[in-house]
Amino acid sequence: KQEVTQIPAALSVPEGENLVLNCSFTDSAIYNLQWFRQDPGKGLTSLLLIQSSQREQTSGRLNASLDKSSGRSTLYIAASQPGDSATYLCAVGWYGGSQGNLIFGKGTKLSVKP
Amino acid sequence: DTGVSQDPRHKITKRGQNVTFRCDPISEHNRLYWYRQTLGQGPEFLTYFQNEAQLEKSRLLSDRFSAERPKGSFSTLEIQRTEQGDSAMYLCASSLALADYNEKLFFGSGTQLSVL
Repeated sequence: KQEVTQIPAALSVPEGENLVLNCSFTDSAIYNLQWFRQDPGKGLTSLLLIQSSQREQTSGRLNASLDKSSGRSTLYIAASQPGDSATYLCAVGWYGGSQGNLIFGKGTKLSVKP
Repeated sequence: DTGVSQDPRHKITKRGQNVTFRCDPISEHNRLYWYRQTLGQGPEFLTYFQNEAQLEKSRLLSDRFSAERPKGSFSTLEIQRTEQGDSAMYLCASSLALADYNEKLFFGSGTQLSVL
């Protein structure tokens, strides 16, 4: 069975700070890992997708890394802004499931204070 | 708007009533997914379609739930005899199937169901 854990559950930082969100998974037989953003009462927006053969992906101020052997991924957000406040979800595509069956963590709720 | 759209955005119903939700995927996407999310949890997979074929259903999808995707375009998710435990956000996503499994999912804004 695949389980995805995200730590911390919530994080509050002052504007401008660099921060790291953590995601761990129990079964390394994954084909990708995705990071999503979710605003309150809204759907999910895909931020970054890392294929299992890749080590990291970057988009603007976001950088995601993947260490499949240790079952970990991190999402690094540089120079945080109040507009970054949202819940960040990590999800793995797992060979033990179907192609559309992403396994999600519970998310990290980020609050960036002005 | 070329994103995934879901209707309605909110639905309040009484226990025992039937409800139906609609999802319109991105037009060129051949895969469509339904997920369910409760407060403080990540989304949980319910079912997915490739074109009009329903390829997988989760054990979460009891026989009160049925999903269709006629003609491989929009999809509907029906819940019969709703229960209070069905209260959740129902999310639809679509993607363009890739042979290497590395397709991005695009989610709609969801339908928030409250069963009284």
